[in-house]
Amino acid sequence: GENVEQHPSTLSVQEGDSAVIKCTYSDSASNYFPWYKQELGKGPQLIIDIRSNVGEKKDQRIAVTLNKTAKHFSLHITETQPEDSAVYFCAASIGNQFYFGTGTSLTVIP
Amino acid sequence: ETGVTQTPRHLVMGMTNKKSLKCEQHLGHNAMYWYKQSAKKPLELMFVYNFKEQTENNSVPSRFSPECPNSSHLFLHLHTLQPEDSALYLCASSQVTQGTEAFFGQGTRLTVV
Repeated sequence: GENVEQHPSTLSVQEGDSAVIKCTYSDSASNYFPWYKQELGKGPQLIIDIRSNVGEKKDQRIAVTLNKTAKHFSLHITETQPEDSAVYFCAASIGNQFYFGTGTSLTVIP
Repeated sequence: ETGVTQTPRHLVMGMTNKKSLKCEQHLGHNAMYWYKQSAKKPLELMFVYNFKEQTENNSVPSRFSPECPNSSHLFLHLHTLQPEDSALYLCASSQVTQGTEAFFGQGTRLTVV
């Protein structure tokens, strides 16, 4: 089955700096890659996604890149703000089966 | 409000108790999922229902028993659980179609004592 690895497990950045989270996947059949943000006491919420026919996608301060050849994808958050502090999960999807990374706890220091 | 509602939000149960978790989605989706979230572990897929039919049972112990009476409701029946079953149980829904996002509920924080 699919195996998704995510790094780093924890990340601290100063407010205004950029944050990058990286994931790798194993199954070349994966074709959809969502990123979720989970705040304390809440369920994960989608923040951005990318499909296998696209190399990069951007939504305001958030961007995702995908390298299908290398089987890795990354989340980039620019101009970080304290409210960006949360746990972020990457996922790879085959059909409607979702396989998640272990999560990255991001802390933005004011 | 994500459109996926889970109840209860918190549950404490003894190892001999029987309880049920409930999930309801108002998004018109046709696939529903149970995930287990433990500290420092990836989200673990437990069960998948597509069009009310169970399509995935990810080696889950029989003390967890899912039920999907219709495409909007999903239950997880619990009996004779172990302390290591304490975790956040998340319900999600999506369309069966490839490449669509899963929407999660807020989760039920389960503590087995």
